[in-house]
Amino acid sequence: GAVVSQHPSWVICKSGTSVKIECRSLDFQATTMFWYRQFPKQSLMLMATSNEGSKATYEQGVEKDKFLINHASLTLSTLTVTSAHPEDSSFYICSARPDGGTFYGYTFGSGTRLTVV
Amino acid sequence: QKEVEQNSGPLSVPEGAIASLNCTYSDRGSQSFFWYRQYSGKSPELIMSIYSNGDKEDGRFTAQLNKASQYVSLLIRDSQPSDSATYLCAVNMFGTGNQFYFGTGTSLTVIP
Repeated sequence: GAVVSQHPSWVICKSGTSVKIECRSLDFQATTMFWYRQFPKQSLMLMATSNEGSKATYEQGVEKDKFLINHASLTLSTLTVTSAHPEDSSFYICSARPDGGTFYGYTFGSGTRLTVV
Repeated sequence: QKEVEQNSGPLSVPEGAIASLNCTYSDRGSQSFFWYRQYSGKSPELIMSIYSNGDKEDGRFTAQLNKASQYVSLLIRDSQPSDSATYLCAVNMFGTGNQFYFGTGTSLTVIP
């Protein structure tokens, strides 16, 4: 089945530093991947759509200069949280599905718990 | 505005009972529908998908779709304490390409 690997699973960083999160599709190619953020006891909030070879599409209210997305290959998308602040502490999750058709469910990565101190 | 709505709960059922989770969506052109389960602190996992009107059964899970009523539900038979989680409804809406729209989730607790 489709497997999505996300790394790291958790990270603690100091305020003002940057953190990179990787999302890999292990056994399939994914032209499109999605990045979500989830605060405690809240639902998934779509941050951006990552497109291989082109610029990411950001949801309203998400700062593109703060959350840098790079989708350099058909199996890898990265999210970099730049100049992180405590309010960026959250659970970040990526998702992807095999290219071709709309009748596949998305597979989620295991998520990255970011804590900014 | 494209919306997916779920009752946030919490929904509590005794062990062995049937849990019924409901979801409505706003876009009549929606094509595919999915149920995800999310345990606390974990990422969502896909448990059911349905594309055509009617019922689809997989083990203890049954998904029901009624496109005329814009309604999709998930039934969990013989509920177990391990089923306690948040259940997310996701809809792939017509014209949105690959994008999924998620409901806010229903929290289910199965009481031993």
